[in-house]
Amino acid sequence: DAGVIQSPRHEVTEMGQEVTLRCKPISGHDYLFWYRQTMMRGLELLIYFNNNVPIDDSGMPEDRFSAKMPNASFSTLKIQPSEPRDSAVYFCASSLEGGPTDTQYFGPGTRLTVL
Amino acid sequence: GDSVTQMEGPVTLSEEAFLTINCTYTATGYPSLFWYVQYPGEGLQLLLKATKADDKGSNKGFEATYRKETTSFHLEKGSVQVSDSAVYFCALGRGGSYIPTFGRGTSLIVHP
Repeated sequence: DAGVIQSPRHEVTEMGQEVTLRCKPISGHDYLFWYRQTMMRGLELLIYFNNNVPIDDSGMPEDRFSAKMPNASFSTLKIQPSEPRDSAVYFCASSLEGGPTDTQYFGPGTRLTVL
Repeated sequence: GDSVTQMEGPVTLSEEAFLTINCTYTATGYPSLFWYVQYPGEGLQLLLKATKADDKGSNKGFEATYRKETTSFHLEKGSVQVSDSAVYFCALGRGGSYIPTFGRGTSLIVHP
């Protein structure tokens, strides 16, 4: 398997623009997670899905952030409008069953810079 | 709530030195414990894990033992290499929650 795939790997945009990050989880994995990583706050969980259904979005910082999973092989994280404080590395991860012993498989991340 | 505490970094070592990165946790019940590693420019990947007390996880020369009495899961390696330079994350997974809890990460820098 190719692992978790994320695109783009790097995104530079200007404040106010819409940004869409994409993720393809590992085939057969039922759980998908979106994280944000910054030096100040470390790794933060934004939202996770089970079988394409959003379960917990309490980590989404504001209404400017939204996430969808239209099918088992694709998810998007959208920021509209983007702000400089959104600059971070965004990771997508998937896991097989989501249980306490389950391993999370991370993608390579998207480095977002908002000018 | 659940929490994971790791030692502050960066940890700077010379090649072939002994490594310890401390990790302690707070959780109800009997969590599973993990170490993930993040190499520069990459996502996190599982290094090792232990699912019950006294279990030892090991991989690539790294080891960690699940100590319930001290609520700890310290990462050790007998002889580090330059290629081990990375950020190491301790994490726990607890029954009843599908969301793992990650520590802040500890940066390891190994000099030749």
